Amino acid sequence: QKEVEQNSGPLSVPEGAIASLNCTYSDRGSQSFFWYRQYSGKSPELIMFIYSNGDKEDGRFTAQLNKASQYVSLLIRDSQPSDSATYLCAALISGGGADGLTFGKGTHLIIQP
Amino acid sequence: DTAVSQTPKYLVTQMGNDKSIKCEQNLGHDTMYWYKQDSKKFLKIMFSYNNKELIINETVPNRFSPKSPDKAHLNLHINSLELGDSAVYFCASSVTSGVSTDTQYFGPGTRLTVL
Repeated sequence: QKEVEQNSGPLSVPEGAIASLNCTYSDRGSQSFFWYRQYSGKSPELIMFIYSNGDKEDGRFTAQLNKASQYVSLLIRDSQPSDSATYLCAALISGGGADGLTFGKGTHLIIQP
Repeated sequence: DTAVSQTPKYLVTQMGNDKSIKCEQNLGHDTMYWYKQDSKKFLKIMFSYNNKELIINETVPNRFSPKSPDKAHLNLHINSLELGDSAVYFCASSVTSGVSTDTQYFGPGTRLTVL
């Protein structure tokens, strides 16, 4: 069974600090991982994706993937109050046709001014 | 220009009714999806369509039926609505299907309330 696990939080981080969001997955067939941000009442919007082991940086965001440990993380540097949202980790399991994303339940992040 | 659009944004209806939600994408993508987000904010895949063919169909009741008149549209029909169908339904699209770098873009969502 495909599962993606996240700590639901809330995770409270002071403004300017680094927010660290974590995600684990159960299916070793998972090929790529996506981090979406969802504000209350809005649709998920993509922050970044990663499919190779190691780190991938995009501005203030860094995604980290460790396939051996089946672990994905998202670091947000210099956290801003506007980063307060629910962060959804999703896995894509490819092969043999279209697959939807398997989402975790999301981590609610609060950046305290 | 809205990339993925859905109508209506809100839908309030009685149990037992039949309703439809429409989705359109102007991105030229080959694959479209329907997701359901429940009251606990858990987002789950319901269907995907690739070039007008249903590719996956998770354990969704057959009261739900996707209809795709063309590549740019994927509508969701729901028959005999039940209280448990109340949720936010998101349409999404991607360039193709199953490619590891393929990003899914989400529509604004339709909040369905069944009374």
